Amino acid sequence: NAGVMQNPRHLVRRRGQEARLRCSPMKGHSHVYWYRQLPEEGLKFMVYLQKENIIDESGMPKERFSAEFPKEGPSILRIQQVVRGDSAAYFCASSPGGGRRETQYFGPGTRLLVL
Amino acid sequence: GESVGLHLPTLSVQEGDNSIINCAYSNSASDYFIWYKQESGKGPQFIIDIRSNMDKRQGQRVTVLLNKTVKHLSLQIAATQPGDSAVYFCAEIKIGYGGATNKLIFGTGTLLAVQP
Repeated sequence: NAGVMQNPRHLVRRRGQEARLRCSPMKGHSHVYWYRQLPEEGLKFMVYLQKENIIDESGMPKERFSAEFPKEGPSILRIQQVVRGDSAAYFCASSPGGGRRETQYFGPGTRLLVL
Repeated sequence: GESVGLHLPTLSVQEGDNSIINCAYSNSASDYFIWYKQESGKGPQFIIDIRSNMDKRQGQRVTVLLNKTVKHLSLQIAATQPGDSAVYFCAEIKIGYGGATNKLIFGTGTLLAVQP
């Protein structure tokens, strides 16, 4: 059973470009979470999605950031007009959904570098 | 506001010794706590969890202790090995109802360095 998959693993963008980060949850998981990690810091929650629904986006910056989890295909975290401050590791986690206890399993992350 | 913090940013231990990593949390409404291990260049890896109605839980070589009175969480690693070297995060979650958010709130992490 493959774990959470993320691609690309490394992404380099110039200021003003767009970054698209993909996350495929574990098989059977229908809940996806995105977190951001700045160097030498803990992970910060960004957004929580179920298929075709955004459940909680309280951690998302108000502008330039968006996320989706379509009925088919991976979850996408999109950052428009990137700035240097967006440089970070972005982690996706998934959980089975349902029930009170949902262990979140993390992917390897995408390391975004904005030049 | 909600926060989870760690007392020690770096912990150095000798191989074979026991390690204790501590964590303080501030949200008394949190009812689920998790320890993650993150190796360099990798994503966080689940180690062990504990619900707020428990005060101790054991896994393979690891034990988590929860003291709700002082809002303190600790991770004990027995017979620490070089492969245990990593950053360890505690995280808390307030279980949502009916689809409400289950976001994890992470601390800043403790680097465990195991000396051979």
